[in-house]
Amino acid sequence: GENVEQHPSTLSVQEGDSAVIKCTYSDSASNYFPWYKQELGKRPQLIIDIRSNVGEKKDQRIAVTLNKTAKHFSLHITETQPEDSAVYFCAATPGSNYQLIWGAGTKLIIKP
Amino acid sequence: GAVVSQHPSRVICKSGTSVKIECRSLDFQATTMFWYRQFPKQSLMLMATSNEGSKATYEQGVEKDKFLINHASLTLSTLTVTSAHPEDSSFYICSAIVATDTQYFGPGTRLTVL
Repeated sequence: GENVEQHPSTLSVQEGDSAVIKCTYSDSASNYFPWYKQELGKRPQLIIDIRSNVGEKKDQRIAVTLNKTAKHFSLHITETQPEDSAVYFCAATPGSNYQLIWGAGTKLIIKP
Repeated sequence: GAVVSQHPSRVICKSGTSVKIECRSLDFQATTMFWYRQFPKQSLMLMATSNEGSKATYEQGVEKDKFLINHASLTLSTLTVTSAHPEDSSFYICSAIVATDTQYFGPGTRLTVL
């Protein structure tokens, strides 16, 4: 079955700098890759997603890149702000039942 | 659009009792709902996939007799934790989709079993 690995587990960056979180997946049939942001005690919120027919997608300060050949995708956050501090999860959908296989999460800390 | 509610948000119960958690899609009809459990500082763990009018599909290691799921309509799914024990204490979150990949999450239910 699908396996999603996420790195790093913790990322600390200076406010204003960029942050990059990387995920790899194992099932080449996976075709949908969302990124969720979760603040402590709250629900995961979809921040950006990408499908397998696209290599890159951008939404203001957030971008996601997908390399299907290498089976990895990355989240890029530019000009980080204190409110970006949270846990970020990547996920992949390997089949037609829309189940998500989740990464372990990255705790992003923005230092003032 | 795509709002999912969950009730209750927090529940404390005694060991041995049952607890029911409701998940509702407020402004859309959900073809499928998912139930997750999340322990502190861990990722979401899928418990089961629920389709309206049919039996839920449980993930390996999840006891179907302990975690009863009923998907009575296209806008409501319920999770009942039967004979709850302290190790069942966790954050339970549901999500819903409507014929696409994108999952919309409920706010979660914090269950504490004493």
